[in-house]
Amino acid sequence: DAGITQSPRYKITETGRQVTLMCHQTWSHSYMFWYRQDLGHGLRLIYYSAAADITDKGEVPDGYVVSRSKTENFPLTLESATRSQTSVYFCASSISGKQETQYFGPGTRLLVL
Amino acid sequence: QQPVQSPQAVILREGEDAVINCSSSKALYSVHWYRQKHGEAPVFLMILLKGGEQKGHEKISASFNEKKQQSSLYLTASQLSYSGTYFCGADSSYKLIFGSGTRLLVRP
Repeated sequence: DAGITQSPRYKITETGRQVTLMCHQTWSHSYMFWYRQDLGHGLRLIYYSAAADITDKGEVPDGYVVSRSKTENFPLTLESATRSQTSVYFCASSISGKQETQYFGPGTRLLVL
Repeated sequence: QQPVQSPQAVILREGEDAVINCSSSKALYSVHWYRQKHGEAPVFLMILLKGGEQKGHEKISASFNEKKQQSSLYLTASQLSYSGTYFCGADSSYKLIFGSGTRLLVRP
């Protein structure tokens, strides 16, 4: 019963490098979400996905790319990392998008030097 | 468009009550409440739906004023385990927009 997992849990990278954060859920939930959490801003939605091959932008999508070829995976890619992307990234999933509980992964702490 | 939470922080003695408010400028389908402890992921507490239905935690109550797009979370007889940051999530489409959080500290 793995639930929702994220990898890596911690990542240090340099400005300009490409970084991919992985998210995997075992519940076959339709919806998946990526958030970033910074002090003073709470949780901000980056991208979300309603199903495989269906993705849409959230509040702060610039500088990020997502894909969802399989229901259970929702990777988040920083194409050219910037220092402003230093943050804690949470992946979440829910059975459906509306009025349903979101279950969060443990988070990935990313530091961009 | 981010919902506004108040207060930003509150300190309680064990056994005291607290109210956390959440206000949105957009029409909402529902309001979600989550609690996050330091270094951990947010954990679901409650969903309040239009029409008054609630889903979630047995010991924590909340209200949702649909006309004002406001929700309040009521923490009664607080326990040490209630400490953490509370987030409301405004559901106006197929996604949640979270407030910036209310930090709650319960002291013995």
